Amino acid sequence: QKEVEQNSGPLSVPEGAIASLNCTYSDRGSQSFFWYRQYSGKSPELIMSIYSNGDKEDGRFTAQLNKASQYVSLLIRDSQPSDSATYLCAVIGDTGRRALTFGSGTRLQVQP
Amino acid sequence: NAGVTQTPKFQVLKTGQSMTLQCAQDMNHNSMYWYRQDPGMGLRLIYYSASEGTTDKGEVPNGYNVSRLNKREFSLRLESAAPSQTSVYFCASTRRQGPTNEKLFFGSGTQLSVL
Repeated sequence: QKEVEQNSGPLSVPEGAIASLNCTYSDRGSQSFFWYRQYSGKSPELIMSIYSNGDKEDGRFTAQLNKASQYVSLLIRDSQPSDSATYLCAVIGDTGRRALTFGSGTRLQVQP
Repeated sequence: NAGVTQTPKFQVLKTGQSMTLQCAQDMNHNSMYWYRQDPGMGLRLIYYSASEGTTDKGEVPNGYNVSRLNKREFSLRLESAAPSQTSVYFCASTRRQGPTNEKLFFGSGTQLSVL
């Protein structure tokens, strides 16, 4: 079982819709959770971080964390074609290695 | 602001050749990382350096060595390149390492092909 699992997609949504991206992780002791966006041919950039159960909102983005279910999600409201990218879920686990473990990413396509 | 600078951007090697990927950051960050990215595999950690003078193995360290030359620079060396090392390599840095790890800043990547 991979440490961080994501559906590879592509997830296709129409412009203006809500895009819902999901991620599960295997290490129950994981403490920190991140969403990175990566445009094709570019390096990843951080868009959201979340550390405690519940929702965290930042503009059109909402991160949701449920530690009991080992589940993290990212909602993008009013999706725009410029949101088309690969979204990488990343986790810091409860091991001695304090470094991000990334999922394989979900490719999002927003149709104009 | 330069941020994280990686060189080279592209490299083609023959099997068995060696090379060093260079990475430097100008943000006074303590922690630095090397990741590789393969299609469908996401980013996988090769080596990291929590602070100057320390290095540790990540998920996929075999075939690689690293040097934390000083606080700014963290290099990745392939001693004898293999086709399985064909990948995009990213260097990254963050101010400190910890449970609430701060934002990771990435370099622009190195596209490496081993023939």
